[in-house]
Amino acid sequence: DAGVIQSPRHEVTEMGQEVTLRCKPISGHDYLFWYRQTMMRGLELLIYFNNNVPIDDSGMPEDRFSAKMPNASFSTLKIQPSEPRDSAVYFCASSFVDIPSGGYTFGSGTRLTVV
Amino acid sequence: AQSVTQLDSQVPVFEEAPVELRCNYSSSVSVYLFWYVQYPNQGLQLLLKYLSGSTLVKGINGFEAEFNKSQTSFHLRKPSVHISDTAEYFCAAWSYNQGGKLIFGQGTELSVKP
Repeated sequence: DAGVIQSPRHEVTEMGQEVTLRCKPISGHDYLFWYRQTMMRGLELLIYFNNNVPIDDSGMPEDRFSAKMPNASFSTLKIQPSEPRDSAVYFCASSFVDIPSGGYTFGSGTRLTVV
Repeated sequence: AQSVTQLDSQVPVFEEAPVELRCNYSSSVSVYLFWYVQYPNQGLQLLLKYLSGSTLVKGINGFEAEFNKSQTSFHLRKPSVHISDTAEYFCAAWSYNQGGKLIFGQGTELSVKP
């Protein structure tokens, strides 16, 4: 398996623009997680899905952020409009059970810079 | 609420020396504990996990960790580090009363010097 695949690896955008981050989980994993990593706040869970349904989005910072999972093999995280404080590395992770006995498998992340 | 505290933000150490990265968690219920490693510009990779049973768990790359319930700690150790162990290490905890969320500590940057 190719692992969790995220795209793009790097994104530089201007403030006010829409940004879409993409994630392909490991086949057969029915849990998908979006995390954000910053120096100030560390790793924060933004939202997670089970069988394509959002279960907990309490970590989504504000209405500018939205996430979807239209099918089992694809998820997006959208920021509209983007702001400089959204600059961070965004990770997607997946697992096949909610109790992470096998641990979560993380993608390589998308480094977002908003200027 | 559940929290995970990594007591050291940076740990410099010389090659072949032993190292301990400290982690404390707060939970009054059963908890699963994990250590992840993040190499530069990469995602997080699972090093080891404690689910139940023996309190000493062994992971990849010669790392091990000990679960201490009375001290609510899960410190990571390696008897002899290599340059290639230079990375950021994250302790994480999962419990039923946190709604299925894996909570991470702030991370410890391990820097191995020749």
